[in-house]
Amino acid sequence: QSVLTQPPSASGTPGQRVTISCSGSSSNIGSNTVNWYQQLPGTAPKLLIYSNNQRPSGVPDRFSGSKSGTSASLAISGLQSEDEADYYCAAWDDSSLVFGGGTKLTVL
Amino acid sequence: QVQLQESGPGLVKPSQTLSLTCTVSGGSISSGDYYWSWIRQPPGKGLEWIGYIYYSGSTYYNPSLKSRVTISVDTSKNQFSLKLSSVTAADTAVYYCARDFGVGAGFDYWGQGTLVTVSS
Repeated sequence: QSVLTQPPSASGTPGQRVTISCSGSSSNIGSNTVNWYQQLPGTAPKLLIYSNNQRPSGVPDRFSGSKSGTSASLAISGLQSEDEADYYCAAWDDSSLVFGGGTKLTVL
Repeated sequence: QVQLQESGPGLVKPSQTLSLTCTVSGGSISSGDYYWSWIRQPPGKGLEWIGYIYYSGSTYYNPSLKSRVTISVDTSKNQFSLKLSSVTAADTAVYYCARDFGVGAGFDYWGQGTLVTVSS
């Protein structure tokens, strides 16, 4: 299993706000920044959030990130059908980069 | 616009060495501002970081793969490469190369990925 723990699935209806959690420990999230990636079906991952809560240019402000202690969260507001994808958290852990197991977001 | 492109054999026999190259265009590996990485994703599964290289040749490897992995850089060709030895079926995956703007800072550019299957 992954060092960072994410729920395997999440869902919401268009317009809703959904959150995806990422739980770690003092050696990773507790002492390093968290990044989030969105992976649409059949494509390479895309950087969604870096440094816990920063959005790269071009990422809509519907996406936001936060971190508290050894956990982090990704929030998506105003859910849209095109947000249906896999989402991964990532953080540095001692001497290795680790990813969460991924959360499959379904837009109902 | 920075672009990364993976290349290499799509089929490797068990016990052999997997070799891939990532060609970077639209930016120089030698700029020194970035770390260059390999990441893989087994079919239907999550992402696994393999390792980083800096333009100077400094490397960081995933401890679970360290004994089998070598990442190298050729600044004259603006390429970096991955070698993974003694492969098994468990190494079957889509292999991505990516650029990180700092160690653990975030992979802002990715290649499209290349599927490598380990099978006899």
